[in-house]
Formats: sequence, structure tokens, C-alpha cells
Amino acid sequence: GAVVSQHPSRVICKSGTSVKIECRSLDFQATTMFWYRQFPKQSLMLMATSNEGSKATYEQGVEKDKFLINHASLTLSTLTVTSAHPEDSSFYICSAGQNTDTQYFGPGTRLTVL
Amino acid sequence: SQKIEQNSEALNIQEGKTATLTCNYTNYSPAYLQWYRQDPGRGPVFLLLIRENEKEKRKERLKVTFDTTLKQSLFHITASQPADSATYLCALERNRDDKIIFGKGTRLHILP
Repeated sequence: GAVVSQHPSRVICKSGTSVKIECRSLDFQATTMFWYRQFPKQSLMLMATSNEGSKATYEQGVEKDKFLINHASLTLSTLTVTSAHPEDSSFYICSAGQNTDTQYFGPGTRLTVL
Repeated sequence: SQKIEQNSEALNIQEGKTATLTCNYTNYSPAYLQWYRQDPGRGPVFLLLIRENEKEKRKERLKVTFDTTLKQSLFHITASQPADSATYLCALERNRDDKIIFGKGTRLHILP
């Protein structure tokens, strides 16, 4: 089956630094990838839709200058949390579709900002 | 605004019994409804998708129903096993390749 990977799985950083999270579709090409954030005991909230070769589409309330998304190839999208603060600590999850009925989710990245 | 409610935050079911989880939604007309399983510290894993014109779908021990009049989906796990213990998420989609809206999930505990 289709596999989506994320790297790193966990990251701890100091307040004010930037963190990059990678999302890769390992055995299929994804023209669209999605980035979600999940706080404890909360639902996954869509942050942005990442389109290969074009600018990402951000959901209302998500700062595009703070959460930079780059979808440089059909198998890789990156999310960079710039000038991270403790309130950005969360579980970040990406997903990718294959133009089928299924979206495949990555294993997630736990970000902790000290 | 759109709202998805999953019946309870947590549900305890005795092993071997059928677990039934409920998903209700308001202010939304999804064309697709999906159920996912999420284990602690992991991303969601797709289980089943049901379309608005389908009443029921089955996959092994899983069964999903979709009632667009009641705006409700039921998710059943028959012959439940401790390994079925996880959080189950209901998710709605208006169109394919549209954004997916997730419920908060129900934590299911299958008691041995």
C-alpha cells in the first residue's frame, strides 16, 4: 500500500528558532499534500493544502509567514515553523492522496518548543 | 459553522461484543464520510469510506452506515478484540480532493 513518511518524528527546539518537517510519499506521486495540526485530545485541524509547483493554500487563521510550506516535487512537501514559540508545540501530521478514495497519513511529528 | 460530534470521548466494551461508535454532523452536506483509526502518537490510518448514496459498507469485522437524513454515521466493530483499542476518528469531505474535516474521536477500550 501507499506509504507516507515524516521526518523527524520528534523535535525539541528553543523558542525563537525555526524547525523544518519533511513529508514524503514513498511509493507514489502526490500532486497535493495536506498539513494538519493536532493538540492533545483534539481533532486534526487542517492548516494548509500543499500543491506541487505552486503556492500553498492556507486555512483561515493560519499564518502563512509563520508556517512556510514548500512542495518542490511530487514526493516531497516541507513545513517550516519559523520563530517557534511554546504555543506552537503540537503534533503535526501530513497526508497525501493518490486520486483514489484514500488519503494516506504520515506518522506525525511531535514538536516541543521550550 | 460546521460541526462534527462523536458520541463519547471514551467507550469501554467487553471483548467479543460489538462496539458501536456514533458520528453526528451539522451545517454540512458531505458527499463522503470516512472512518480512521489513530493509535497514540501516530497518524490516522484509513479504515472505510462511504458515499452519500450508500447506506452501508462492510470490511471484515467493520461496518459503517450513513444516514444523510439523520446526518449520522454509525461505525461497528463486531467480535471486538483488545487489539481494536484505539481512537477512532470520523471525517467528512464535501468533494474528492477537498479538505477533510475531522471529529475529535472516540477512545475505544476493549476489555479482555
